[in-house]
Formats: sequence, C-alpha cells, structure tokens
Amino acid sequence: DAGITQSPRYKITETGRQVTLMCHQTWSHSYMFWYRQDLGHGLRLIYYSAAADITDKGEVPDGYVVSRSKTENFPLTLESATRSQTSVYFCASRGGGRASYNEQFFGPGTRLTVL
Amino acid sequence: GDSVTQMEGPVTLSEEAFLTINCTYTATGYPSLFWYVQYPGEGLQLLLKATKADDKGSNKGFEATYRKETTSFHLEKGSVQVSDSAVYFCALSVLTGNQFYFGTGTSLTVIP
Repeated sequence: DAGITQSPRYKITETGRQVTLMCHQTWSHSYMFWYRQDLGHGLRLIYYSAAADITDKGEVPDGYVVSRSKTENFPLTLESATRSQTSVYFCASRGGGRASYNEQFFGPGTRLTVL
Repeated sequence: GDSVTQMEGPVTLSEEAFLTINCTYTATGYPSLFWYVQYPGEGLQLLLKATKADDKGSNKGFEATYRKETTSFHLEKGSVQVSDSAVYFCALSVLTGNQFYFGTGTSLTVIP
C-alpha cells in the first residue's frame, strides 16, 4: 500500500513486556517521527529520525528505543512496558529536506494498552 | 522556545454556525503554520497551511491567515456541517529545526 502504515493497529500487553510498534512509509521521506497522543497533552514527540541511522530524542523519550536501518522503516520499541505508556501512538513522515513548509504525513495510529 | 497555544474545547456548534478556533504561536525565526484535522479513530490529516506572513491557507471551506503582527493563525469556517466534527490541531515548523510543535487540540462537535 502506498503511504504510511502502522502495525499493529491495536495491542494489549502486560507490564514489563517488550513491545515493538512498526511504521513503514513508501515515499522515501527523509524524516520520520513517533508521537504519543494522550488526553490533555495533545501530541508529544517521542523520537525522530532525519535519515537512516540518524535518530534523536524528542520531548518524552524515556522508556522507548528506536532504530532506522532502512529509510522506509522506523520501529518503536518499549523495552519494558509500563501502564503509563498506555496511549495512542502515531508515526509520521516528512520529505523535502529541512524546509519548514513541508507538512508531516501521519499513519493511522496504534492503540496500545498496558495492563 | 517554539510553541503553539490554541483555544481549549470542547466546542459545540449547531449546523451552519460560524466557527473560529484561536491559535497563537511563539517561534524563533520564520515558521510555517499548519492546521491538522483528526476524525474519530484516524490519524491526523493536513487541513491547510501557510508558509509566510499574510498568506491565507484554505481548504474545504476552512481558512486561516498567517498574522505575524499578532502571532496568530486562527481557523475559521463560515458554515459548519455535522461532518466537520473532529479534533483540530494547530502546528508550527521552523526552518532551523526538524520538529513540528503541536497545540493540544480543540474538539469540535456539530449538532444538526
């Protein structure tokens, strides 16, 4: 499928388990982003990547790990899930280099519940 | 630092009413400004954008004008429909950074 996809769409896990959320885009965009969305906080940036093998922390990186070995994939791993990581996670991508006028394109989201 | 402040919701309007959602920003440099819309159960979609002062972005009857003097980018629509019920996010992007800065979102419900 063309565009940006996320998997799984829904995930229930238990405290302490490792969970990986997948993100795939077909545009060869340089930039990719992970956000979490919680009531009252809007969207908060977890990590972003400017290119393959280049990643950087966002506002709320603790408890998360990312990698980007290929331009099109940007997985997000919760190494030891906690209840506070229950959230909706969005992946996004942006092309066009550093130009500020290029919008981000969002995936459909993954709803994660940590019991 | 760079940030966006938008009016808190929720907002409830009757069909065909006029809509304004306020958004103000703080930015170092010359930002581009965006409005995104999120329908229930979906990801965010770009609604409109403006990349320089006095630009007007428009789409689907929605408009917003980039006002540098008031650091604002208010979203307006003359006559809302039930299908406009969604959460609206204001956002900015600055040339010197790679990130977007989002407001907390404003929930809009339009009743018939």
